[in-house]
Amino acid sequence: DSGVTQTPKHLITATGQRVTLRCSPRSGDLSVYWYQQSLDQGLQFLIQYYNGEERAKGNILERFSAQQFPDLHSELNLSSLELGDSALYFCASSGPTLSSDTQYFGPGTRLTVL
Amino acid sequence: AQKVTQAQTEISVVEKEDVTLDCVYETRDTTYYLFWYKQPPSGELVFLIRRNSFDEQNEISGRYSWNFQKSTSSFNFTITASQVVDSAVYFCALSEATLNSNSGYALNFGKGTSLLVTP
Repeated sequence: DSGVTQTPKHLITATGQRVTLRCSPRSGDLSVYWYQQSLDQGLQFLIQYYNGEERAKGNILERFSAQQFPDLHSELNLSSLELGDSALYFCASSGPTLSSDTQYFGPGTRLTVL
Repeated sequence: AQKVTQAQTEISVVEKEDVTLDCVYETRDTTYYLFWYKQPPSGELVFLIRRNSFDEQNEISGRYSWNFQKSTSSFNFTITASQVVDSAVYFCALSEATLNSNSGYALNFGKGTSLLVTP
């Protein structure tokens, strides 16, 4: 158990819909990262937050957004869903400093878009 | 741009065999970090090791060992006396040590090597 929690574990929805994935980092960690794992693209970095502020953006679509709240949990919002958005979404946390510390991953949320 | 290559897509071994998973990386940075993660069939990503670019000492942890060679930009992972529980996908990853405005300290993953250990 990494100490990072993600909910829900599974999510099935239809094209065009909007979903929210939730992540709680390990106690004491201030950085939260979101990654997408798909068969064709592999593991790709989406976005990073540190202590409530966005710090870096990777290959995140404009239909996707995220935020980190004062209690440090983070949410990833995916809207206007397409079939190709079906993937495993991971959250990872590190910290407490803004550095290249080890990232510990949550169990992931498996999103299926029908 | 950083790049991580895991040329072995799938490896199949019989229990108790030794197996080496290859990882080759590219980066222009002089300071960086290398990682290995394990993804068992259950799907979670489990951290195995983190090395910085200044520490080329090989590391051993039980049946696991890592060989970091800066001269060949490789960070290979060996499992000695493999067991069925080692069956998983193994990912090598690279991150910069200085904050990059585009990628932060994001991990750049290889495509992974799927290891199957049969009894």
